[in-house]
Amino acid sequence: GNSVTQMEGPVTLSEEAFLTINCTYTATGYPSLFWYVQYPGEGLQLLLKATKADDKGSNKGFEATYRKETTSFHLEKGSVQVSDSAVYFCALLNQAGTALIFGKGTTLSVSS
Amino acid sequence: GAGVSQSPSNKVTEKGKDVELRCDPISGHTALYWYRQSLGQGLEFLIYFQGNSAPDKSGLPSDRFSAERTGGSVSTLTIQRTQQEDSAVYLCASRPGTPNTGELFFGEGSRLTVL
Repeated sequence: GNSVTQMEGPVTLSEEAFLTINCTYTATGYPSLFWYVQYPGEGLQLLLKATKADDKGSNKGFEATYRKETTSFHLEKGSVQVSDSAVYFCALLNQAGTALIFGKGTTLSVSS
Repeated sequence: GAGVSQSPSNKVTEKGKDVELRCDPISGHTALYWYRQSLGQGLEFLIYFQGNSAPDKSGLPSDRFSAERTGGSVSTLTIQRTQQEDSAVYLCASRPGTPNTGELFFGEGSRLTVL
């Protein structure tokens, strides 16, 4: 079945540090992949997505590349800010195209 | 409002009681989802409604859980005979109809605590 595995947190960084949050998936075929973010006190929102192999999704300085060889979609940012502190969820769209399957989430805490 | 609205935002109940959680999706969105967010478990898919089609109930954890969507808009998630393990944040999300781009619009959730 479909599943998403992402690195356990929390991840604690200083401002301007480089961020990587690992995400790997198991699925039939090549599903669309997503990163969602949940800021404190807010609902989840889409951060970026990629719909096919080798696509790179990007938004707000974050990037993730769809790697079918390694079934991965790691999230990166070159220089994090305090305002990036949030919970990040990796997800895939199931084969039926009906539901998103999420990972367990990774909490990022950035200090100044 | 413009976003997905959920109520109540917080609910504390005693074990064995029934609870109802409400979701008001974005106007015009035909697809509606319920997810459960538990500590250490991430987001667990519960149920999916699309227009007038039969809902996908494959994620409901037991027959104590049910959901309905009246008139293709507001949805209610009902948990009967609540147990302590039902304590979680219940999230509702909606999206426009097909094609499914994967962008869901989430509410802020209903936090359920079962004592």
